[in-house]
Amino acid sequence: EVVLTQSPATLSLSPGERATLSCRASQSVDSQLAWYQQKPGQAPRLLIYDASNRATGIPARFSGSGSGTDFTLTISSLEPEDIAVYYCQQRRSWPVTFGQGTRLEIK
Amino acid sequence: EVQLVESGGGLVPPGGSLRLSCAASGFTFSSSLVMSWVRQAPGKGLEWVSAIWGSGDNTHYADSVKGRFTISRDISKNTVYLQMNSLRAEDTAVYYCAKAGDSGSIYDYWGQGTLVTVSS
Repeated sequence: EVVLTQSPATLSLSPGERATLSCRASQSVDSQLAWYQQKPGQAPRLLIYDASNRATGIPARFSGSGSGTDFTLTISSLEPEDIAVYYCQQRRSWPVTFGQGTRLEIK
Repeated sequence: EVQLVESGGGLVPPGGSLRLSCAASGFTFSSSLVMSWVRQAPGKGLEWVSAIWGSGDNTHYADSVKGRFTISRDISKNTVYLQMNSLRAEDTAVYYCAKAGDSGSIYDYWGQGTLVTVSS
């Protein structure tokens, strides 16, 4: 099973700042990694697929990069509505696995 | 508009059974489409549970539910099911139905979830 480790566990930043979230895989997942945003009381929403492709309707301030074992989700300029937990997920091999999440707080 | 509506959750004692349903609309519910169940225990992260594609012969399960849960689908009813047997307290969670996009097992649409509570 591919283990995904996200860091940091919690990130606290001010509006307008840049957020950098990391996801490290225990073995190569090529580019088969996605990022999701989950707000309290809501279902997850797909942000990025195949490491760097923005999903439909996702603002350009969200971007993804990486391949192999190291991946990054960047939010270029934080908005108050970006408060959420962010998860990475791999589909390279079964079982599909998720990271444990990074909680993003706005100061 | 794509919609996934889960139902069937509730309170069940340990060792009991429950069947969840996910009614899909707004897209072509073809046999090639990957549909999955993902769960989230209270205050915890996301855990993938199961996936189905093809005519229904192709399925995968998390080790934590293998042998106890069965995923199936009825293409004529645009519905996916999760039969859960021998339920344990640790199965308590919100269960989400999720549709995979063209990239396969990347979930572009999710339902709102149904809560399953396993308790005596």
